[in-house]
Amino acid sequence: DADVTQTPRNRITKTGKRIMLECSQTKGHDRMYWYRQDPGLGLRLIYYSFDVKDINKGEISDGYSVSRQAQAKFSLSLESAIPNQTALYFCATSDPGQGDYGYTFGSGTRLTVV
Amino acid sequence: ELKVEQNPLFLSMQEGKNYTIYCNYSTTSDRLYWYRQDPGKSLESLFVLLSNGAVKQEGRLMASLDTKARLSTLHITAAVHDLSATYFCAVSRRNFGNEKLTFGTGTRLTIIP
Repeated sequence: DADVTQTPRNRITKTGKRIMLECSQTKGHDRMYWYRQDPGLGLRLIYYSFDVKDINKGEISDGYSVSRQAQAKFSLSLESAIPNQTALYFCATSDPGQGDYGYTFGSGTRLTVV
Repeated sequence: ELKVEQNPLFLSMQEGKNYTIYCNYSTTSDRLYWYRQDPGKSLESLFVLLSNGAVKQEGRLMASLDTKARLSTLHITAAVHDLSATYFCAVSRRNFGNEKLTFGTGTRLTIIP
């Protein structure tokens, strides 16, 4: 099993619908992140969480919300999807406190809003 | 605000040639990362550079960091087709205890036989 699992892998939804993207990890990391990738723009940070009680907005949080249900689970919601939220979404984890400075990324969720 | 710029954005090169991808960032940082991404796939970690003058090498790829110039380079030696991918640099910076990773726009590398 992958260290960071994202579901679904692909999703097509209609404008105005609510959708949730889920992320779970087996790394035991405290820190979790949601990024969005658009062509030519690299990855941009949507939200991040440093522990279960900590939620922080990233650079492009408008139109998104998150929930950290447990250390291992971090969900991203689009309350009312719009077409310009069509993108590839990545969840990531990290834990510098373990002496590992790396970030582990999930396989991504390709979301299309029509 | 931390900004990370990569160049070139697109690079097409012949097998066997050498080339360098550049990553500039705007403010002091704590660590610099290089990632590889194949089309439709996740990001694969290549290197983490922790300090000024750090150099790391893996196969035909070598990354270096100059924190005074706020510049990292990813050098490709004698390119082979398997290296075709998009390469991202990313910079982490602690700000009042919060550490965030800021990505460059990526360099799409195509190796031509």
